[in-house]
Amino acid sequence: DAGVTQSPTHLIKTRGQHVTLRCSPISGHKSVSWYQQVLGQGPQFIFQYYEKEERGRGNFPDRFSARQFPNYSSELNVNALLLGDSALYLCASSLAQGAPWNSPLHFGNGTRLTVT
Amino acid sequence: AQKITQTQPGMFVQEKEAVTLDCTYDTSDPSYGLFWYKQPSSGEMIFLIYQGSYDQQNATEGRYSLNFQKARKSANLVISASQLGDSAMYFCAMRVGASGGSYIPTFGRGTSLIVHP
Repeated sequence: DAGVTQSPTHLIKTRGQHVTLRCSPISGHKSVSWYQQVLGQGPQFIFQYYEKEERGRGNFPDRFSARQFPNYSSELNVNALLLGDSALYLCASSLAQGAPWNSPLHFGNGTRLTVT
Repeated sequence: AQKITQTQPGMFVQEKEAVTLDCTYDTSDPSYGLFWYKQPSSGEMIFLIYQGSYDQQNATEGRYSLNFQKARKSANLVISASQLGDSAMYFCAMRVGASGGSYIPTFGRGTSLIVHP
């Protein structure tokens, strides 16, 4: 079975531009979440979606938005890019059945975004 | 609020030796899960091991074991017989079962493990 897939792998953008990152969860997983990981830190939660509904939002500005599609894939959009948005963006999926708190997150390989 | 603390920025271990990576957590929720992830330099986060707050026994997965001390709120990862391929960043994470919550995970800052030949 395929794991979580993210695209693109790397991306270079200029300040002020917009970017869309994509994620396909493991087959059967209905929950997708997004994380930003800057160098030297752990992942920071951005969004969680379950059954196409937003279930959580981290402390990120409104320039960050996301959505989940009927096939459970997801997009993360960032508008008006800043230099500080340069980071590894990770997508994770989980079964989210029963007690989700005991469901491990399965991560993709991430998208490395560089804003110049 | 939930918090994960990893106090060891870097650890060194000799190949074939065992190493313990520390993790302490803080939550008031009785239902929670603790996870360890490995992140090689390539970037992917690899799930290693899980421990639930209601589990009576410490979790084990191959060379990985979790030393769960609930009263001390610690969940240390033990890697036995270290291999060169174990060199990576290791993150401790927690998800809590808050009622109506979105089970948002909290990650520590990570520990960099270097295995020497």
